[in-house]
Amino acid sequence: NAGVTQTPKFQVLKTGQSMTLQCAQDMNHEYMSWYRQDPGMGLRLIHYSVGAGITDQGEVPNGYNVSRSTTEDFPLRLLSAAPSQTSVYFCASSDRDRTEYFGPGTRLTVT
Amino acid sequence: TQLLEQSPQFLSIQEGENLTVYCNSSSVFSSLQWYRQEPGEGPVLLVTVVTGGEVKKLKRLTFQFGDARKDSSLHITAAQPGDTGLYLCAGASGYSTLTFGKGTMLLVSP
Repeated sequence: NAGVTQTPKFQVLKTGQSMTLQCAQDMNHEYMSWYRQDPGMGLRLIHYSVGAGITDQGEVPNGYNVSRSTTEDFPLRLLSAAPSQTSVYFCASSDRDRTEYFGPGTRLTVT
Repeated sequence: TQLLEQSPQFLSIQEGENLTVYCNSSSVFSSLQWYRQEPGEGPVLLVTVVTGGEVKKLKRLTFQFGDARKDSSLHITAAQPGDTGLYLCAGASGYSTLTFGKGTMLLVSP
C-alpha cells in the first residue's frame, strides 16, 4: 500500500494564480482532511470530508475549495493564491479509530 | 473551542538525558494521540491513549493519560539522536475533528 500520496512536493506560485493540490489514499478510509502547518501555529484544519460527496469546513477554510467525488481522492484548490497561503500542506486520511495517516506534504510558496 | 497546550515548545538536550513533554487542556477528551514528525515528512502516530490514568510504553517512551482525561505526558528515557523531531499531541472528542497542540521540538545532540 502506498498510503497517502500528495503531489506536487514543492510549488511556487505568483499572487493571484490558482492551482490544485492532489491527494490520494489507498486504504479505503472514509475520512480525509487537509491541514496547513506554519511555524508556531501547529497543524490547522482547512477542510475535511467524512465520505464521498460530503465535505465541511475546518478552522481556516477561506481561500480554499475541496471536493470528494471518490473515496480515494481529495483535491484542495487554491482559488487565487495569496502570500498568506505560503505554508506546508498535509493531506491525511483516517479510519474510525481517528488515527490520522498523513501524506508527505506539499511545500507551497506564494510570491 | 477546545485547546491543547504543549510544553515546552522547544527542548535541546544531550544524548542519554531523560525528558518529559506535557500536553494540557481544560477540556475532556475521549482519547489522546501522540505523533512524531521528522523534518520534511508528515506526522506519524506513536500511540493512542483512551482510558483515564492509562500508561503505555513504547521502548524508551512512556505515555500517560491523566485521570480526568484532560492532559497527557510523554517521557523519554535515555534520549538518542534518533528521537529528534517534532512531537504533537492530538485530542479526539465525540464526532468532532481532532484538536492538535502546537508541538514540542526536540533536539538530541550526540
